[in-house]
Order: sequence, then C-alpha cells, then structure tokens
Amino acid sequence: DTAVSQTPKYLVTQMGNDKSIKCEQNLGHDTMYWYKQDSKKFLKIMFSYNNKELIINETVPNRFSPKSPDKAHLNLHINSLELGDSAVYFCASSPTRESHEKLFFGSGTQLSVL
Amino acid sequence: AQKITQTQPGMFVQEKEAVTLDCTYDTSDPSYGLFWYKQPSSGEMIFLIYQGSYDQQNATEGRYSLNFQKARKSANLVISASQLGDSAMYFCAMRGYTGNQFYFGTGTSLTVIP
Repeated sequence: DTAVSQTPKYLVTQMGNDKSIKCEQNLGHDTMYWYKQDSKKFLKIMFSYNNKELIINETVPNRFSPKSPDKAHLNLHINSLELGDSAVYFCASSPTRESHEKLFFGSGTQLSVL
Repeated sequence: AQKITQTQPGMFVQEKEAVTLDCTYDTSDPSYGLFWYKQPSSGEMIFLIYQGSYDQQNATEGRYSLNFQKARKSANLVISASQLGDSAMYFCAMRGYTGNQFYFGTGTSLTVIP
C-alpha cells in the first residue's frame, strides 16, 4: 500500500496547456504539501494545507492552484504552462504540524513543458 | 526567518570510510526539529534521521548519526562505513515551532568511490 501517491509520474505537455497532478495519502495525516524541485535539486515549498485549509501559499504564480477536496487529497492544477514550470513536483504529508513530525513524500511527478 | 545552509555541493568518500555532511541553520524559534533526507538517482525522498532541539543526546539510526551542536546551530550528518548505495543527494531540513514551514537546504551530492 502506497502511503503518499501522486499521479501521473511523468507529464509531458506543450506550452500553454493546462494540466493537473493528483495526490492522495492513506496515512490519516492532517497536513499536506506541494514542493517544486528544480533542475539544481532545490526543494521549494509551494503550498500547504491543514485539514483542507490553506495555511501556506508561497510566492507562486497564480497559474498554480491547489485544491483539497478532503484532508486525504491535495491536487495541483497548473494553467497556461510555461517552459520554466518544467520540474519535479513532490506531494508530501505529515501527521500534524508539530516540529518533530517528519514529511512523508510521494514519488514525484516529472513535468516537462515543451 | 528560518534558513538552512549546506555549504558542500559535492562530496566524495572512499567505500567503507566515514563521511560528514555539513548543515547549519538559523532560527529564532524556541523549539524545532532537524531532519535529513536522502534522494538517490531514482528520485524518491527517503527520511534518514531526526533530531529535536531539546534532545540531550545526538540521534543515531544504524550507520547514520547526527552531530548536533546547538550553540553553533549545526546539525551535521555522519555516515559511517560508506557503501556504494549511499551515493545520492542529501538534504538537511528544519521544522520550526509553528510547524507550518518545512525548510530544506540546497543539498549535498555524495559519491562513494569503490
């Protein structure tokens, strides 16, 4: 049983298209995150939800819109894709927001914008 | 503001030798957690070890240990008896008191030489 699952694993698309990445966790965690890992491997937090409530919204273009229908799901929709959006996107979750709680990561979605 | 610094972009170590990966952090939070993750070439994020800011003893997990020096704000990862499978990117991370943010350093690429 995969704890944090993201789909698709690979996403190749043309500039200007709209795409979504889905994330689900079956761990019963309260908090979920989206991170972007660029070509230099830097991990940048994009969004965080706690019990379906948006708690972190970093400086991300408004073409990126997260949606959390319930606390087990956090999807990422991207409008009007640009070349610079090419990256690996990781979903992650943690039981709570307490400082000792680690993040459980999905396997990542490699997005390539042509 | 919280910040994690990893000053070694790349490291090499001989198989069976020990290696230390450096991590310094900056925070004004009264309590916080420090974490190390491993990212092999396959891309998944693997949790290695955790250290709480109030823990009296350095954390250990098998061949991994965390050299925590609170006054110097450093949390170095020590890998003993390096194996070829240890070749990967290693990320230091911190979670502050409020727990909303989970900050990552820029990573260190470790190569184990046979």
